[in-house]
Amino acid sequence: AQSVTQLDSQVPVFEEAPVELRCNYSSSVSVYLFWYVQYPNQGLQLLLKYLSGSTLVKGINGFEAEFNKSQTSFHLRKPSVHISDTAEYFCAVSGPPKAAGNKLTFGGGTRVLVKP
Amino acid sequence: EAQVTQNPRYLITVTGKKLTVTCSQNMNHEYMSWYRQDPGLGLRQIYYSMNVEVTDKGDVPEGYKVSRKEKRNFPLILESPSPNQTSLYFCASSLLPGTYSGANVLTFGAGSRLTVL
Repeated sequence: AQSVTQLDSQVPVFEEAPVELRCNYSSSVSVYLFWYVQYPNQGLQLLLKYLSGSTLVKGINGFEAEFNKSQTSFHLRKPSVHISDTAEYFCAVSGPPKAAGNKLTFGGGTRVLVKP
Repeated sequence: EAQVTQNPRYLITVTGKKLTVTCSQNMNHEYMSWYRQDPGLGLRQIYYSMNVEVTDKGDVPEGYKVSRKEKRNFPLILESPSPNQTSLYFCASSLLPGTYSGANVLTFGAGSRLTVL
């Protein structure tokens, strides 16, 4: 079974400051890792994904994440946030190819509030 | 535009009154899934479908039904809604997992907020 833990439920941050959202996962098999963003009153949008290859993954809107297999982490970072980055962020994991269900297991979410 | 469309977006109903939330995708995706989102719990999978007439339970299937009679549509049915089904529901779709490495990327609908009184 897989599980995902997002260590912070809320992260307040000032505009133009850096932000890091922490995500740890557990799985007995190799995984794919994702970060999704949910803006207020909207659906989920893919921010970035790690499928294989380089452990540093760059996504949209200046976000990046690093896959650390030994620490089973996939932390999300942005060097300078904007007001428009106010949203809820979800870390998710899925199993290897052809795993039944293509199920994403989500963390509980981290609300980012960017203050002026 | 490639998208997943859910209807209704908002619904208030009463306990026991059957309702259906529709989901349609225009990307010719084989795989479709329903999730519910509750505060602090993230999203949890309700049901999924690998193709037409192929459906299976996710983590929280109790109280829900689904059908997949056409490739593009995957309705979620609440036969007798109860207040604990008050939630935000998301439909998602993707290519069949394993067809290529990017097939695991899900496209989500905008969500359907359901309140059961």
